[in-house]
Parts: sequence; structure tokens; C-alpha cells
Amino acid sequence: GENVEQHPSTLSVQEGDSAVIKCTYSDSASNYFPWYKQELGKRPQLIIDIRSNVGEKKDQRIAVTLNKTAKHFSLHITETQPEDSAVYFCAAILSSGGGADGLTFGKGTHLIIQP
Amino acid sequence: GAVVSQHPSWVICKSGTSVKIECRSLDFQATTMFWYRQFPKQSLMLMATSNEGSKATYEQGVEKDKFLINHASLTLSTLTVTSAHPEDSSFYICSATGLKAYGYTFGSGTRLTVV
Repeated sequence: GENVEQHPSTLSVQEGDSAVIKCTYSDSASNYFPWYKQELGKRPQLIIDIRSNVGEKKDQRIAVTLNKTAKHFSLHITETQPEDSAVYFCAAILSSGGGADGLTFGKGTHLIIQP
Repeated sequence: GAVVSQHPSWVICKSGTSVKIECRSLDFQATTMFWYRQFPKQSLMLMATSNEGSKATYEQGVEKDKFLINHASLTLSTLTVTSAHPEDSSFYICSATGLKAYGYTFGSGTRLTVV
């Protein structure tokens, strides 16, 4: 099955600086890579995702890059704000349209934005 | 957007009793539902996958007789933790996907405490 590694486990950055979280996956067939933000005791919220037919996707301060050859993908957050503080999870899956398989998650990154 | 409702949000039960958790898709037909478990400061681990009208598929190491899953309709899946023990205390989250839903939508989670 799929195996997803995520680094770092904790990331502390100054407010206004950029944050980068990296993930690698093992199954070269995986084609859908979402990123979730989870606040304590709450559900994971999808913040951005990318499919294997593109290399980069951006949504305001958030971007995701994908390198299929190296089997890694990264989350980039620019101009960080205090409300960005949370745990971020990457995930990977082979999505066949019907979404028949569950997501494999990385272990999570606790992002701390220092004021 | 797609909305998944999960109840109860928290429950405390005595050791040896059973607890039922409900997951409902409110505005789309959930052809597939997933159940995850999340221990404190850890990632989400897939427990089982259920398709409407079919038996659930359990991940390795998850006891199917202990965690009973029913997905009798396209909008409702239930997880029953039978003969609960303190080690079953965890955060249980459902997720659903369907033909008219984008990606994987998560329920709000259920905090189970077994005393």
C-alpha cells in the first residue's frame, strides 16, 4: 500500500515569513495529493490539492508543488499569519474518480507562527 | 459545498458497553464512506471503507467484530464500537465521497472516552 512521509514534525516561523512542508510518497500510481489543516479537536479542512497531471497549483498565499519523478510534493505558505497556526497533514491516493480508496496521511506538521 | 454531519461530537461510556456513531452526507449521495481513528497528537489512520449496500473493508489490524460498520443508504453510515475498553478512547472521524462531491469531505469527529 501507499506510505507517506512528512517533514518536519514541528515548524516554527516568524509572522510574515514563509513556511514549507514536504512529503514523499511511495506508490508511483498515486495521482491525488490533498493538504489538510486541522485545528485542535476539529475536523481536517482541505486547503489545497493537486493532481498528478500538473506540477504546481496556487491559491492566494498557499501553493503546492508536485515532482512525480522524485515522488514528493510540498506545501508553501507565504506571508504567514497567526491564524495559520495548526497541524497540517499531507495525503496521497490513487483516485479513480469514484473515490473508492481511503486517504493515506502523513504524520502531520505542527506549524507555529511566532508573533 | 459538500457537507458531512457526524454525531455525537463527544461521548463518555463505561467499559464493556457499546457506542454508535453516525455519519450523514447532507447534500450529496455518499457512494463511499471512510472511518478514521486519531489518537492524541497523531495522524489519521484509516480503519475501514464502506460502500453503500456492501460489507465494509477493514484495514489490517482493525477488528471487524469490534468495530461494526453499516452503510445501508447513500446518506448514512454508522460505526458501532462494541464492548468498548479504555484503549478504544480516541477521536473517530468519518469521511465521505460521491459522484457530486469534490474530494473527501470529513465529518466533525467524535471524541470517545471509555471509563
